[in-house]
Amino acid sequence: EDQVTQSPEALRLQEGESSSLNCSYTVSGLRGLFWYRQDPGKGPEFLFTLYSAGEEKEKERLKATLTKKESFLHITAPKPEDSATYLCAVQAGGGADGLTFGKGTHLIIQP
Amino acid sequence: NAGVTQTPKFQVLKTGQSMTLQCAQDMNHNSMYWYRQDPGMGLRLIYYSASEGTTDKGEVPNGYNVSRLNKREFSLRLESAAPSQTSVYFCASTPGGHWDTEAFFGQGTRLTVV
Repeated sequence: EDQVTQSPEALRLQEGESSSLNCSYTVSGLRGLFWYRQDPGKGPEFLFTLYSAGEEKEKERLKATLTKKESFLHITAPKPEDSATYLCAVQAGGGADGLTFGKGTHLIIQP
Repeated sequence: NAGVTQTPKFQVLKTGQSMTLQCAQDMNHNSMYWYRQDPGMGLRLIYYSASEGTTDKGEVPNGYNVSRLNKREFSLRLESAAPSQTSVYFCASTPGGHWDTEAFFGQGTRLTVV
């Protein structure tokens, strides 16, 4: 059974205080690992896809990395508008083509 | 505004009532999905449709039925609603299982069963 575990569940940072969110996973044949951002009352919004260990992707203050067992979402010098819930998900190699999601990390950036 | 449209946005049902959640996409995507999101549980796949005319069970299908009416529309039906089905329901679509920049989620339907 595919599993995705995110930590911490919640994180409160001061504006400008960099940190990392963790996503550990077990999956039979990884097709892709995905990071989404979800704002209150809205659907998830795509951020990154990572396909193989060692891969890295960046977007503004966010950088996602991938190893064989986990992924990190690094947030550099965050701003209050980065406050959201960040979801990690995996797509397995066979069977259903849906995603298996973690429970998310609720990030609050205080001014 | 192109994307995935869900109706209704909010609904309150009494236990035992039935209802259908509607989802439509205008991106010509082959694949559509229904997820539910509960506090502390994350998003869980209920049903999906890889193409028009096909549907398959996801992780939590019990108590639900789906219909892929055409390529644009994928509906989720609760035949006899139960309090355990109180949740936020999200529809999503992808161009054939490719969950990257071309995959989109709807805004969600918040359902309360009393």
